[in-house]
Amino acid sequence: DTAVSQTPKYLVTQMGNDKSIKCEQNLGHDTMYWYKQDSKKFLKIMFSYNNKELIINETVPNRFSPKSPDKAHLNLHINSLELGDSAVYFCASSQNTGSSQPQHFGDGTRLSIL
Amino acid sequence: AQSVTQLDSQVPVFEEAPVELRCNYSSSVSVYLFWYVQYPNQGLQLLLKYLSGSTLVKGINGFEAEFNKSQTSFHLRKPSVHISDTAEYFCAVSDSGGYNKLIFGAGTRLAVHP
Repeated sequence: DTAVSQTPKYLVTQMGNDKSIKCEQNLGHDTMYWYKQDSKKFLKIMFSYNNKELIINETVPNRFSPKSPDKAHLNLHINSLELGDSAVYFCASSQNTGSSQPQHFGDGTRLSIL
Repeated sequence: AQSVTQLDSQVPVFEEAPVELRCNYSSSVSVYLFWYVQYPNQGLQLLLKYLSGSTLVKGINGFEAEFNKSQTSFHLRKPSVHISDTAEYFCAVSDSGGYNKLIFGAGTRLAVHP
């Protein structure tokens, strides 16, 4: 009964490939997020969706495309992978977009580009 | 724009000793403040949050934090740490008028030694 689940947990692939990471939450939350954690553990928000609509879109290369088929799912597709994309990607969710709402995180997807 | 500074990248401490992890923030608007903990190979888990009211907030696992508006600080404390507290700790802010966009500090690695 994992609250926020991401698949896969590990992803190893070659430069230039296209890959997707999936995220699902069973908390009934309206808002979902993608964060990137680099090798120095620094966390930065990439995107946020509220009820399937994009509300936060940080300065991220357009090779990254999020998709939300419904409010319980937020997937991340990455085209033409580059070495610098190696990182841990975290999905999170919150009740709504209110800034006082705590965010619930998945366990992360560790992406390694060869 | 908001920013968060965690003054110590690493804090070594002996078991049963007290610990303080320091966090300072800057913002031109009202903010909400959070501390999250990340255990190895896991996602982030909320320790505690400050929204308003009493400046001393208590969280899970015996942690507490004090909000100091004049010093723009939100330091995390525990009177007696355990080996199991070894983890990465992140301070984060979100502004009261935004879309719950969390800005994280760089993290503090707490290492508890026997």
